Amino acid sequence: SAVISQKPSRDICQRGTSLTIQCQVDSQVTMMFWYRQQPGQSLTLIATANQGSEATYESGFVIDKFPISRPNLTFSTLTVSNMSPEDSSIYLCSAVDGSNQPQHFGDGTRLSIL
Amino acid sequence: GQNIDQPTEMTATEGAIVQINCTYQTSGFNGLFWYQQHAGEAPTFLSYNVLDGLEEKGRFSSFLSRSKGYSYLLLKELQMKDSASYLCAVREWNAGNMLTFGGGTRLMVKP
Repeated sequence: SAVISQKPSRDICQRGTSLTIQCQVDSQVTMMFWYRQQPGQSLTLIATANQGSEATYESGFVIDKFPISRPNLTFSTLTVSNMSPEDSSIYLCSAVDGSNQPQHFGDGTRLSIL
Repeated sequence: GQNIDQPTEMTATEGAIVQINCTYQTSGFNGLFWYQQHAGEAPTFLSYNVLDGLEEKGRFSSFLSRSKGYSYLLLKELQMKDSASYLCAVREWNAGNMLTFGGGTRLMVKP
């Protein structure tokens, strides 16, 4: 399975600032996704990162708040913009290669906003 | 849309067998996945069912009944390291490879 690296692994940020999280896969993959996992909760899909086009966002998530890039088949970024304490969460990148394959996850980015 | 339910917490004894259930409602079922997540770590893939029946992988097995909208994950010969959250996730045929996750079941294995 693909190896997925995320960075930073954690960060503490000031309210009102923005942070970009990077996700690198060691092989080309068809699809990449970004999830949020709030403390003690399960995973919620933020968006599907589309290569060469705008990401597809789920209900409750918008591009202005969570801009996403995917310039090629191995890399994606998620920016958390104008952060507030409510954005404190773990952000996870996942990737899948092929229509009947499982998603595999990066180690996540633990974000705390003061 | 989907509605995925699993118990919030379970406790079992080392060496025993535990069954974690997952029920779902979906308009276009295209596979059910089980993931294990240890505290502070990323989810790791355990098993995948798209057809009815039992899939066995060592100490872990997963069962699916599409007509009942029901799956379970069976863990045998429990070890302390199996203490983790177990996430059930459903994929729909009209949503590409997008997964919708249940709330997760936190399993505590006691000596």
